[in-house]
Amino acid sequence: NAGVTQTPKFQVLKTGQSMTLQCAQDMNHEYMSWYRQDPGMGLRLIHYSVGAGITDQGEVPNGYNVSRSTTEDFPLRLLSAAPSQTSVYFCASSYSRGVGGELFFGEGSRLTVL
Amino acid sequence: AQTVTQSQPEMSVQEAETVTLSCTYDTSESNYYLFWYKQPPSRQMILVIRQEAYKQQNATENRFSVNFQKAAKSFSLKISDSQLGDTAMYFCAFMKHDVWDDMRFGAGTRLTVKP
Repeated sequence: NAGVTQTPKFQVLKTGQSMTLQCAQDMNHEYMSWYRQDPGMGLRLIHYSVGAGITDQGEVPNGYNVSRSTTEDFPLRLLSAAPSQTSVYFCASSYSRGVGGELFFGEGSRLTVL
Repeated sequence: AQTVTQSQPEMSVQEAETVTLSCTYDTSESNYYLFWYKQPPSRQMILVIRQEAYKQQNATENRFSVNFQKAAKSFSLKISDSQLGDTAMYFCAFMKHDVWDDMRFGAGTRLTVKP
C-alpha cells in the first residue's frame, strides 16, 4: 500500500496565485486532515474531515479551502496565496474518529510564496 | 485550548546511551491521549508511542518508553540504547478523547545521535 500520498513535494508561487495541494490515501481511512508546520511552532491543524462530504475548520483555516468528495482524496486549495502561507504542509489520515488516534502522515509539501 | 510545551529545542546523545525528552501540557480534561511522533530527516512523520490518560501504566515500545505523570501534566520520552537512526525531530502531541479538531502538537525537539 502507498499509504498517504501528497503532491507536489515542492512548489513556488507568487503572491495572489492559486494552487491545490493533493492528498490521497489508500487505507480506507475515515478521517483526513491538513497541517502546516512552521519553525518553532510544531504542527497546526488547518482543516479536517471525518468522512466524505464532511469538512470542518481547525486552528488556522483562513486562506484555505477543502472538500471531500471521496473517501480517498482530500485536496487543500489556496485561493490567493500570501507570503504568510509559506510553510511545509502535511496531510494525515486515521482509521477512526477517536479510537487510538494514530495519524498516518504524507511526506509533506514545501510551499514558498514570493 | 490545550497547550503542549517542549522546552528542549535541541538535544544530542552518544550512540548506545539513554536520553530523555521532556513534554508538559495544560488541560482541564481527564480523558485524553498523548503521543510522541518522530520526524526523520526524510520528513515523513511516524508514531513512536501512545499513552491513554486513564491508564496508569507507562507505555513502552521496545527501546522507547514514557514517564507519564498525570497530576504534574508531564509526558517525557526515554530512548534507551540510542541508535543513529533515532536522529530526528520529536513532537509531543495531545488529543482530547474523540475530539479531532483540538489535537495539539508541541514545537518539537531536534535529537541528534552521535557516533
